[in-house]
Amino acid sequence: AQSVTQLDSHVSVSEGTPVLLRCNYSSSYSPSLFWYVQHPNKGLQLLLKYTSAATLVKGINGFEAEFKKSETSFHLTKPSAHMSDAAEYFCVVSAPGEYSGGGADGLTFGKGTHLIIQP
Amino acid sequence: GAGVSQSPSNKVTEKGKDVELRCDPISGHTALYWYRQSLGQGLEFLIYFQGNSAPDKSGLPSDRFSAERTGGSVSTLTIQRTQQEDSAVYLCASSLILRTEAFFGQGTRLTVV
Repeated sequence: AQSVTQLDSHVSVSEGTPVLLRCNYSSSYSPSLFWYVQHPNKGLQLLLKYTSAATLVKGINGFEAEFKKSETSFHLTKPSAHMSDAAEYFCVVSAPGEYSGGGADGLTFGKGTHLIIQP
Repeated sequence: GAGVSQSPSNKVTEKGKDVELRCDPISGHTALYWYRQSLGQGLEFLIYFQGNSAPDKSGLPSDRFSAERTGGSVSTLTIQRTQQEDSAVYLCASSLILRTEAFFGQGTRLTVV
């Protein structure tokens, strides 16, 4: 079975300071990993994806994430937070050939991290 | 189409009525997913389709929920005898094939009164 854990339900940072949103995954197979962002009353937008190429992945809006197999992590970072980054962020894992019910062979979402940017 | 389209965008229904939610995926996308997002909650997986087939229906909350996909394109999620706990935003997504990035629609906000 595959699963994903977002370690923080809320993260608060000051504008201009670094952002770190933590994500750990569990998968029996080589996974694909994604980060999505959801702004208030908006749909989900793909930030970046890892699909077994480079372990450091760059996404939109200055975000990047590093796949670390030894730590089963895929943390999202940004060097300098902007007010417009305030949103809900979801870490997502997908892996082939797993039938565990409820999301198997699809996309399994973490519970989300609410990012708050302080002025 | 240019993106995933869901209709209606908002639906208010009386308890006990049936509702049908529609999803038009991106043209050529073989995989289609339905999720539910309740207020302040994460995404709850409901069902996915590979083509017209849904291999695993165990994510559907109850037997009042059903979904189908025809022609490898449009999908409908039907909720029979709606209950207040069914109130949520229902999100649809599609991807070119399974396990690739999914593109989400804007969702249908369902309110059961």
